[in-house]
Amino acid sequence: DAKTTQPPSMDCAEGRAANLPCNHSTISGNEYVYWYRQIHSQGPQYIIHGLKNNETNEMASLIITEDRKSSTLILPHATLRDTAVYYCIASWGAQKLVFGQGTRLTINP
Amino acid sequence: NAGVTQTPKFRILKIGQSMTLQCTQDMNHNYMYWYRQDPGMGLKLIYYSVGAGITDKGEVPNGYNVSRSTTEDFPLRLELAAPSQTSVYFCASSTPSGTSGGQYNEQFFGPGTRLTVL
Repeated sequence: DAKTTQPPSMDCAEGRAANLPCNHSTISGNEYVYWYRQIHSQGPQYIIHGLKNNETNEMASLIITEDRKSSTLILPHATLRDTAVYYCIASWGAQKLVFGQGTRLTINP
Repeated sequence: NAGVTQTPKFRILKIGQSMTLQCTQDMNHNYMYWYRQDPGMGLKLIYYSVGAGITDKGEVPNGYNVSRSTTEDFPLRLELAAPSQTSVYFCASSTPSGTSGGQYNEQFFGPGTRLTVL
């Protein structure tokens, strides 16, 4: 699995868009980019995944650069409940997801 | 659906004791996983299973054993508890989708078991 690099922490004002970057410069062609988040000490929660194209669901949008070496998770209207640790993972296949230390996102009122 | 359930929620063990962490899923997922998360760190894979009767080691399997006799259950056994096994344990399940050339894998996690070994 490709190594990912994320900033250790970020802040965002409530109601604004939160843009979380992730670098995965060694990603291979068949590796997906996943985003999960972990609120307090709960189990991680799946947010979104993508391969080449940008993706959007009810929670977030995922923007992947054309060369696939980096991506951005966008939470369009952040709320206090979005305060969590966000994990970016690049992985192929079904066996495992390698969780790094993620980005601690704090939404401020 | 209850999703992925784990018992117990909390447990304190003495060094050398044994215990089994229970994990059950009701989503008919083929794949199941056990992770541990130490304070301030990401999750590390202990064991995983791709179906009943099939298990394989992850990144940190030492000190643990697993079995998978049914699709629904995937218990994790600690035989001789050590302080280094103090951690939060998460169980997850999934059914990978896509083709072999582009398979993705959304995992669903349980609430975790917080284990302290003293």
